[in-house]
Amino acid sequence: DAGVIQSPRHEVTEMGQEVTLRCKPISGHDYLFWYRQTMMRGLELLIYFNNNVPIDDSGMPEDRFSAKMPNASFSTLKIQPSEPRDSAVYFCASSFHRGETEAFFGQGTRLTVV
Amino acid sequence: ELKVEQNPLFLSMQEGKNYTIYCNYSTTSDRLYWYRQDPGKSLESLFVLLSNGAVKQEGRLMASLDTKARLSTLHITAAVHDLSATYFCAVYLKGAQKLVFGQGTRLTINP
Repeated sequence: DAGVIQSPRHEVTEMGQEVTLRCKPISGHDYLFWYRQTMMRGLELLIYFNNNVPIDDSGMPEDRFSAKMPNASFSTLKIQPSEPRDSAVYFCASSFHRGETEAFFGQGTRLTVV
Repeated sequence: ELKVEQNPLFLSMQEGKNYTIYCNYSTTSDRLYWYRQDPGKSLESLFVLLSNGAVKQEGRLMASLDTKARLSTLHITAAVHDLSATYFCAVYLKGAQKLVFGQGTRLTINP
């Protein structure tokens, strides 16, 4: 398996624009997580899915953020409208039997909002 | 709320020396993970510790878990430059099914 695949790797956008980040989890994994990493706040869990169903979105900062998982092999994280403070590295991770095994992380998307 | 604290946050050491990174957490948990992150890269899983007293070793790194003390350690033996990275511990909060990360320890190993 190629691992967790995220796209794009880098995204630069202007404030107010919509941004969509994409993730393909490892085949067979039933949990998918979206994390955000910044210098100030470290690694934060935004939302996670189990079998394509959102389980906990309490980490989503505000209504501008939304995430979907239409099928077992694809998830999106959308920010609309984007703001400079959203600039961060966004990681997607997947695992099998959450907590029983480790989560495997994608390469991340570095988002810069100017 | 589960809090995970690592120390030190920054560590600069000489090659060949030994050192330990500590990970303390505030709520009962019996599952803890260690990850490595190189600059600009993703997180790579190092160790999975699933029970009290668990000890895992890989090369110059050894991780242990004491669930009663709510403490995990990552011990580095005879450090080499290639181990320079940021190391994260992550604790599994069973009720909320969340993995909570520590702040990370940035390790720099000087020749």
